[in-house]
Formats: sequence, structure tokens, C-alpha cells
Amino acid sequence: EPEVTQTPSHQVTQMGQEVILRCVPISNHLYFYWYRQILGQKVEFLVSFYNNEISEKSEIFDDRFSVERPDGSNFTLKIRSTKLEDSAMYFCASTILGGHQPQHFGDGTRLSIL
Amino acid sequence: AQRVTQPEKLLSVFKGAPVELKCNYSYSGSPELFWYVQYSRQRLQLLLRHISRESIKGFTADLNKGETSFHLKKPFAQEEDSAMYYCALNTGNQFYFGTGTSLTVIP
Repeated sequence: EPEVTQTPSHQVTQMGQEVILRCVPISNHLYFYWYRQILGQKVEFLVSFYNNEISEKSEIFDDRFSVERPDGSNFTLKIRSTKLEDSAMYFCASTILGGHQPQHFGDGTRLSIL
Repeated sequence: AQRVTQPEKLLSVFKGAPVELKCNYSYSGSPELFWYVQYSRQRLQLLLRHISRESIKGFTADLNKGETSFHLKKPFAQEEDSAMYYCALNTGNQFYFGTGTSLTVIP
């Protein structure tokens, strides 16, 4: 069964540095999402992406965050000027259609900001 | 505003006992609700969606619009059911997750 894959599984970065989290969604999926989960807290929506545009974003997704689909297969989340509070598990998800379709999740990337 | 509420952070039941994981939601539109499960060290996996009205691994969930609930139930819990369970609400563009319930089935 096709899967969403995320790399790296764990990323350690110094505060203030930039980090890029990578995701390869399922190949025929059209809608892509990023979520984060701070340790011990709930999964929180960050952003949805369709047709090379952000379709929705939460208040967490401030101007330090950006997403990109650079080559038709990867879907990246970039965080600039990282803060300690960015430390979390970041999940990528994709769905073949948007709207009320279930989302398929990757294993996540654990981001640790030092 | 809290869209999805899972009141129990931890739930322990004995093997063979019935289990119910509670979920309440807040949404003025037509809700699309899901249950996701996360086994230890694994990814979030879709367990159920309310429109399919199916039973997966013995679990069922019924949408009660009057009570704005989507509780997950299983009549006889198994040890392999031990996991983290998340209720989620899809409003069209966003998924709102509850805080999750950690289920432990005691042998």
C-alpha cells in the first residue's frame, strides 16, 4: 500500500537556524497538509496546499513558515529563525481529493530546537 | 474555540470488557468525523469515518448530532487495541484533532 514518507525522522537544529522538513506524499494525491504535535499535546493543523498554493493555514503558521512543492513529488515545510517552541513532531498528510476525504499520514519528523 | 473534545486522556479496561472512547465536537456545519489510531511508534492511521458506517477491528462509532458526539465503541477489548486514539473533525479544509485518549487494555 502506498505511503506518505517523511525525512528526516529526527532533526536537531540550533535556535535561530532554518530547517526544512521533507515529505513525499502518495503519488496520485492532490492535497497536502502539515500538522504538528508538541509533546503531550494534541495534533494541530498548520497548513493545507493544493494546486501549488496554500489553501488554508492556521495561526500557528506565521511568516517564519513556508511550504513548497519544488519538483512534483516532494512537499517541504521550511521554518526560518527557529524558536525553542517549534520543537514538536511534524506530520505530513495527503489526500487524493480535498474536502471530506480521510488523510493519510507520514511517520512524522521529530524536530528538536536547542 | 475547541472544536473536538476528548475528555479522557487515559483509559484502562480489562481484556474482554467493553470500551467506549468519548468524543464531542463543535461545528455549525455538516460535520465529517473520523477516528484515527496511533499504535506505539507508528503513524496515525485512519480507523473509522462516520459516513462509511462500518466496523473496523470490532470498533464502531455513531454520529449523534443531537448530542454532538462521535463516541468510539468496542464490545470486547483486546490487548492489541492498546494505542492512542484521536477523534478528528474535518470542516473541508482543516482537520481538527482532539487531544487524544490513550487506551490500555489490561490482560
